[in-house]
This record gives sequence, C-alpha cells and structure tokens, in this order.
Amino acid sequence: DTEVTQTPKHLVMGMTNKKSLKCEQHMGHRAMYWYKQKAKKPPELMFVYSYEKLSINESVPSRFSPECPNSSLLNLHLHALQPEDSALYLCASSREPPLSPTYNEQFFGPGTRLTVL
Amino acid sequence: GQQLNQSPQSMFIQEGEDVSMNCTSSSIFNTWLWYKQDPGEGPVLLIALYKAGELTSNGRLTAQFGITRKDSFLNISASIPSDVGIYFCAGQTPQGGKLIFGQGTELSVKP
Repeated sequence: DTEVTQTPKHLVMGMTNKKSLKCEQHMGHRAMYWYKQKAKKPPELMFVYSYEKLSINESVPSRFSPECPNSSLLNLHLHALQPEDSALYLCASSREPPLSPTYNEQFFGPGTRLTVL
Repeated sequence: GQQLNQSPQSMFIQEGEDVSMNCTSSSIFNTWLWYKQDPGEGPVLLIALYKAGELTSNGRLTAQFGITRKDSFLNISASIPSDVGIYFCAGQTPQGGKLIFGQGTELSVKP
C-alpha cells in the first residue's frame, strides 16, 4: 500500500480565516513533506518532518504552520493567507528522511486545491 | 543551486507513437525518479532509478539512469490517450536532501 491521503480535496477561504490541511500515511514512513504547486510548475518544497521533528523549513512565511502530531499524520495550519497563496498543496512521504543514503522514493497524496479570496 | 533541465517542454503526438523525454544536470545524482501528474491530482511515481546505467521498465515505460550520473531519459512506447499529463523528472544528489525537480514535459495525445 503506497497511499498518502489528504483532506479536504478543495478549500476556499478568506484572508482572515484559519483553516487546516490534513495528511495521513500508514506505510510506516519516517519522513513527511509539504509542497506547494502552481499550475503546470514543479512542486516546491515547503517543510520536511523527519521522525516527527521539523528538519527542513524552506523559508516559508509564518502564515503557514506545520504540525506533526504523530508518525502517521501531518497538518498544515493556515492563517491570514494572501490570494497568491492559492495553489495545489501536496503532502508526500518517504521511508527514510531525505539525508539518508538509502533508497528514498517520495510518494505523493492527491493534494488539496486551495483558493484564497 | 542545482537545476534539472527537462526537455521537451511539451509534446503533441498521435496515438500509437513512441515518446522520449530527458533530464540533464551539471551535477551528479544518485537517484532519479520519474513522476506523472494528471490535472488536479498529485504526482504518481512511475519509475525509480538508483544505479548508473540502470535500465528499468514498467509496462510501456522505460527509463534509464545515465552512465555519467548527470542525465536520465523516459520512453513511452505505443502511446494511448490516457498517457496525457505532465511528466516530471526528479533527482537526489549524493549529499541527500531535497528532491530537485525538472520543469516538466506536458504530453498531449491525439486519438
């Protein structure tokens, strides 16, 4: 089973709203990722959690706040977003953290389409 | 920073034709991954490559890890309409760290 699930599928929010994106994997993977993707562009890395600890933050604005409650769950809390934050938000996981020398395929979820009005 | 040059940017082909796309870099990579993304969905892993010179197939798809470790190609044989989508290469350097993505190849297949 190589499934990563994400909820919700679609989200529309105003600039003053607070919302959360959720991601789950039951593959026993030790690393989880948040990516942002604009139309027809490659995914851009936002955050990496390795063994439930934040290991990489790609200088993401503080209006995006990640959380890893346990080894299977990853949240992204959103607050005071801007219209330019509208994008497809992808969660991914890998068996080993990105700095591991062993094989390290990343598996992506279906994404959350976020629209900020 | 490291970059992956993926080409072509887009392809318009007839159903049944073969397709080839590639990624090159000035840096050495120790992992090459090929993903396909349908509109509104997440990327799906097609093929993973870990050794220089490795040639791997997955149905009608074949991918190779270049001998120099600086390039990889993906071939699709006998294309069908459901092959439509954006194909991304991604690589990881020996130093590990985040995946480096190519800019994508958008494939259109005319029935």
